[in-house]
Amino acid sequence: GAGVSQSPRYKVAKRGQDVALRCDPISGHVSLFWYQQALGQGPEFLTYFQNEAQLDKSGLPSDRFFAERPEGSVSTLKIQRTQQEDSAVYLCASSSSGSGINEQFFGPGTRLTVL
Amino acid sequence: QKEVEQDPGPLSVPEGAIVSLNCTYSNSAFQYFMWYRQYSRKGPELLMYTYSSGNKEDGRFTAQVDKSSKYISLFIRDSQPSDSATYLCAMNAGNNRKLIWGLGTSLAVNP
Repeated sequence: GAGVSQSPRYKVAKRGQDVALRCDPISGHVSLFWYQQALGQGPEFLTYFQNEAQLDKSGLPSDRFFAERPEGSVSTLKIQRTQQEDSAVYLCASSSSGSGINEQFFGPGTRLTVL
Repeated sequence: QKEVEQDPGPLSVPEGAIVSLNCTYSNSAFQYFMWYRQYSRKGPELLMYTYSSGNKEDGRFTAQVDKSSKYISLFIRDSQPSDSATYLCAMNAGNNRKLIWGLGTSLAVNP
C-alpha cells in the first residue's frame, strides 16, 4: 500500500503570504504528527492528532501556525503571514496506535522557502 | 541543554568499516529508542527500534541502549556506500508520544 504522501513537495512563498501544506497518512492510521526540520537539524515536534482530535499542539511556534484533521484522515498545516524563519522542511508522520510497535512512518516532507 | 545530544559529524569511513553512532539523553522517562536513516531530500525511515535497555540486532545493524547511563548506540558492520546518509536517534516516553530527536550524524562510506 501507499505510504505517507505530502504536497506540495516544494513551496516558495513571499514573506507575509499564507501557505497550506497537506498530508495524506497511511490509510487507517489513527495517529498523525507534524514535525519541522530546519537545515542541518533534527526534526522538532509541532503537533499531534489522534483521529480528528488535536491532542498536543505544544510545539507550534506561534499563533500563525494552525493544523487541522477534520475527518481523521488528511491533515493540513497552515502558516499565516509567513516569515523567513519559517523556512524549513515540514514532515508529516502517521502511526497505527493499535500496533504496539510505536513506529511513526514519515512522508517525504514539504520544503518551504520564504523569501 | 537539549534533551537529546548527538554529534553531527560528519563521519567518513572506508567501505567495510565498523561504524559507531551514539546519542545521550537527559529525560529518564524515555522508554522507546529509535534510529532513523534519512537520505537527502527524503523523510526519515525507521532502522532500529528498542524498548528499554538491551541490545537488538538486525542484519548488519545493532542497537544498544544503556538506560543507567542514558546512552544509546547504533553499530553498522561491513559498511557499504549505500549506507551513506544522515542517521538520527529519536526517543519518546510511550506509544503515540512525540519523538524527541538528535541533530543527526552525517555518514559517508567511501568505496
